[in-house]
Amino acid sequence: AQSVTQLGSHVSVSEGALVLLRCNYSSSVPPYLFWYVQYPNQGLQLLLKYTTGATLVKGINGFEAEFKKSETSFHLTKPSAHMSDAAEYFCAVLNTNAGKSTFGDGTTLTVKP
Amino acid sequence: EAGVVQSPRYKIIEKKQPVAFWCNPISGHNTLYWYRQNLGQGPELLIRYENEEAVDDSQLPKDRFSAERLKGVDSTLKIQPAELGDSAVYLCASSLVSGSQDPQYFGPGTRLLVL
Repeated sequence: AQSVTQLGSHVSVSEGALVLLRCNYSSSVPPYLFWYVQYPNQGLQLLLKYTTGATLVKGINGFEAEFKKSETSFHLTKPSAHMSDAAEYFCAVLNTNAGKSTFGDGTTLTVKP
Repeated sequence: EAGVVQSPRYKIIEKKQPVAFWCNPISGHNTLYWYRQNLGQGPELLIRYENEEAVDDSQLPKDRFSAERLKGVDSTLKIQPAELGDSAVYLCASSLVSGSQDPQYFGPGTRLLVL
């Protein structure tokens, strides 16, 4: 079985401040991990992914995430928030054996001017 | 390149009525997924197809939900009869191959409201 826990359903930051969205996972096999972003009335879009190799992965729009196996975490960060970053963010874990993805419940990011 | 296309975008029906959703995946993508997304939650897999074959339908409520993917391209998801609890966003996604590093590409979803 696998699961994803996103700590904090709502995160609010000021424009220009650090963004930190937390994701912890459980998986019985080495996981592939993904972060997706969802804007209102749209589908999910891939931000970044970790499969193997370098544990710090960079994605679009200045986001990056670090895979920490010992902490079973894959937190998403961005050094400086922009108003356009306001959206809902989903962390997902893929079981490569079963081909099945499990999504967290999402974190809504609000960016204050 | 066109993305995943879904229709309709919005649907309002009365309970006990049937409803159908349509999805056209990205060209060449063998794997197609249907998810249900309840308000304030992440997507939950209903069914996954590899070409025409449904390889994971364990979460599909088979008493009222059905799906098909004829010719391994387009897919339809049907609910009959709909219940109030079926109100949600139904997302379709596709990927080249499941279980790989290929990400899923999502359509905009169909927002269903059952009255």
